[in-house]
Amino acid sequence: EVQLLESGGGLVQPGGSLRLSCAASGFTFNNYAMSWVRLAPGKGLEWVSVISGSGENTYYAGSMKGRITISRDNSKNTLSLQMNSLRAEDSAVYYCARAALSNCYSPTDFWGQGTLVTVSS
Amino acid sequence: DIVMTQSPDSLAVSLGERATINCKSSQSVLYSSDSKNYLGWYQQKQGQPPKLLISWASTRESGVPDRFSGSGSGTDFSLTISSLQAEDVAVYYCQQHFSVPFTFGPGTKVDIK
Repeated sequence: EVQLLESGGGLVQPGGSLRLSCAASGFTFNNYAMSWVRLAPGKGLEWVSVISGSGENTYYAGSMKGRITISRDNSKNTLSLQMNSLRAEDSAVYYCARAALSNCYSPTDFWGQGTLVTVSS
Repeated sequence: DIVMTQSPDSLAVSLGERATINCKSSQSVLYSSDSKNYLGWYQQKQGQPPKLLISWASTRESGVPDRFSGSGSGTDFSLTISSLQAEDVAVYYCQQHFSVPFTFGPGTKVDIK
């Protein structure tokens, strides 16, 4: 059974940092690209970042580019998102999601339950 | 960036009736090399993560009821629920994965009339 379990969310002050993690199981992790997508209160889904199965290729949304780094450890089946210089508008549920293929340009076919990030003083 | 628009913003349909959601991309998401439209449809119910319903514009995912169908090509797409059921109440999103950033449409809320 495919499982994605996010962790690392919480309350952080503006300008602060947070590192989200996603533990994957039930599939061959390095065969799939992985993404982060967020849902802010009262808003729609927003794509954040994607990393290829090998980790060689990474892409970021413009709204967070320069402030975030996506990475993966294929030996530990773990996906991470380092977020710096956080702003109030970054408050959202952050979902870890699996792409259907190893390359980034494929649909997202499985999602975790999400982890809540709140940026507030 | 490719801008995705959806219409309507919301719709209320009687049980058993048809619901159609439209999605338009600001540029084509049809990749000539493989003739695939890089467009997916997602369903998100309240308090749950999104679920992929339709991939490559028209391929229904395994386990998705056949009342859901996707169509379209290039820049114009639609998702149809042929006979709305109570469990279909959700927000529906289209997303292009043709070019980064992989943008979503703003969502269409579907309710029961």
